[in-house]
Amino acid sequence: QKEVEQDPGPLSVPEGAIVSLNCTYSNSAFQYFMWYRQYSRKGPELLMYTYSSGNKEDGRFTAQVDKSSKYISLFIRDSQPSDSATYLCAMKETSGSRLTFGEGTQLTVNP
Amino acid sequence: SAVISQKPSRDICQRGTSLTIQCQVDSQVTMMFWYRQQPGQSLTLIATANQGSEATYESGFVIDKFPISRPNLTFSTLTVSNMSPEDSSIYLCSLRTGGSDNEQFFGPGTRLTVL
Repeated sequence: QKEVEQDPGPLSVPEGAIVSLNCTYSNSAFQYFMWYRQYSRKGPELLMYTYSSGNKEDGRFTAQVDKSSKYISLFIRDSQPSDSATYLCAMKETSGSRLTFGEGTQLTVNP
Repeated sequence: SAVISQKPSRDICQRGTSLTIQCQVDSQVTMMFWYRQQPGQSLTLIATANQGSEATYESGFVIDKFPISRPNLTFSTLTVSNMSPEDSSIYLCSLRTGGSDNEQFFGPGTRLTVL
């Protein structure tokens, strides 16, 4: 079983839709949770970073962490064609350096 | 966040040869990392490269195959040695900057194809 599971999609939505992206994990030691956006032929770009449980909002993006369920989510409101990319979740334990990534979800927002 | 550049951005190489990838940062950072992203897969950590010490390799990766240099706080290289088609991948340099110790940023990547 992979430590982090993420539905690879592809996910296709109309412009303006609310997008929900999710990851589940099995390692209860994960404390730091990140979402990256990766455009085609580019490196991953850090979108959201949260510690432990709770919500964090940044503009149209909201990250949620539910440690009791080992489940994290990224919500995108009023989605735009420019949001079309692959979204990767990543997690890290308190100690150590290694980020563990999900496989990424490919999102297309259609105008 | 720091500006990270990588050279080359892409390359096509022959089996059995080696390629050295450079990573340059516009500010001094302690911890730099090298990741691999194989086609259709997620990112996998190859090694952690701290200035002034030997690189620390993850399970499945060895120094003979992926030698790393870290001569100063703004630069690192990763060499992919004795390449085979299975080494075709995107190689990404990554780092953590000040502020939050756990915010990690990535370079644009080097797309390697081995024939």
